[in-house]
Amino acid sequence: QQQVKQSPQSLIVQKGGISIINCAYENTAFDYFPWYQQFPGKGPALLIAIRPDVSEKKEGRFTISFNKSAKQFSLHIMDSQPGDSATYFCAAPGTASKLTFGTGTRLQVTL
Amino acid sequence: DAGVTQSPTHLIKTRGQQVTLRCSPKSGHDTVSWYQQALGQGPQFIFQYYEEEERQRGNFPDRFSGHQFPNYSSELNVNALLLGDSALYLCASRGGLAGTDTQYFGPGTRLTVL
Repeated sequence: QQQVKQSPQSLIVQKGGISIINCAYENTAFDYFPWYQQFPGKGPALLIAIRPDVSEKKEGRFTISFNKSAKQFSLHIMDSQPGDSATYFCAAPGTASKLTFGTGTRLQVTL
Repeated sequence: DAGVTQSPTHLIKTRGQQVTLRCSPKSGHDTVSWYQQALGQGPQFIFQYYEEEERQRGNFPDRFSGHQFPNYSSELNVNALLLGDSALYLCASRGGLAGTDTQYFGPGTRLTVL
């Protein structure tokens, strides 16, 4: 069974700081790398995703960096805000869009 | 346009009972997947339905079964409930099996087994 290893498990960042979450994967056949954001009591919501033909994708304050040779991808949240406090999951699709999720990172942005 | 909807929101059952959870996919979507999310963990894939057939299955016992109806809605059934089945059950939908189109998740059903 393919695994996606995510770190850190939890993260505390001051308002305005940069939050960085990392994921490592095993299966080189993965071709789509999404990040999901989940608030308490809610289902995960797609935040941003990247394909391996590019090394970086930016959407607003959120950036994915992809390192194909190291089989790693990371999420950067610039100018972190208290409203960003949530649990973040990286994921990779297996066959026929079966998502394999990382273990999650609980982000807390303090004032 | 309604997104993925699930019912009920919360459910309390006792060990040994059976439960049925329901999901309506996002408009235009025909593929439904079910995930189990234990507290503090990432979602785990249970199975996926397309054209009313189970297409893929994760590492879950046969006590977990499902169904997809002609209108693409889906049910998840769990028999002989165990305490360890307590979790948030998530339904996700997308259009078709192939490709990397986004999966959209519903809010989940919180199942508590006492």
